[in-house]
Amino acid sequence: NAGVIQTPRHKVTGKGQEATLWCEPISGHSAVFWYRQTIVQGLEFLTYFRNQAPIDDSGMPKERFSAQMPNQSHSTLKIQSTQPQDSAVYLCASSLDGDWGGGTLYFGSGTRLTVL
Amino acid sequence: AQKVTQTQTSISVMEKTTVTMDCVYETQDSSYFLFWYKQTASGEIVFLIRQDSYKKENATVGHYSLNFQKPKSSIGLIITATQIEDSAVYFCAMREPATSSGQKLVFGQGTILKVYL
Repeated sequence: NAGVIQTPRHKVTGKGQEATLWCEPISGHSAVFWYRQTIVQGLEFLTYFRNQAPIDDSGMPKERFSAQMPNQSHSTLKIQSTQPQDSAVYLCASSLDGDWGGGTLYFGSGTRLTVL
Repeated sequence: AQKVTQTQTSISVMEKTTVTMDCVYETQDSSYFLFWYKQTASGEIVFLIRQDSYKKENATVGHYSLNFQKPKSSIGLIITATQIEDSAVYFCAMREPATSSGQKLVFGQGTILKVYL
């Protein structure tokens, strides 16, 4: 089992450029989460998909951030017009959820985004 | 709304001793799921152990165990016979069931553990 795969591991963009981050969840997992980690804010929830459907995007900055899950094997997080304050480690996680939910989340290695 | 609080910022212990890390949580649900994760120096976030709120027995995995006190909304992590490689940041987290609107995993602020010789 390869675990959650995130690419790229590191990404450097200039201010105003677009960044797309990729996530491949663990095969068979029905739930996919995106988090952001910074020293100041800690681990912040961004958005959550279940069976590819968006369930909760309450943590997403509305204007420049978007996430999609076009199929069960990958999800993308896109940040348009990146700003220095977007610099963070972006983490993807997946879980195996039944009707009751509550599955354990398994995290990828993260993508470190640096906006210059 | 869910909330998870870890009040210990940093703990230092001697190798081979036992350490307890505290965590308290807030939830409106009668059933919920509690987790502890470890973030290593490389940044990897590794799942350690979980406690489902409806289970009365404290979970144990290897040298990790939990002290679950539901009336106090508390879930402490106990590491016995600590090793140098246990040095890391430890996060407590909570998740509500699918029937709730709060399905996301909510994390505490983390506790830095340093194990020395």
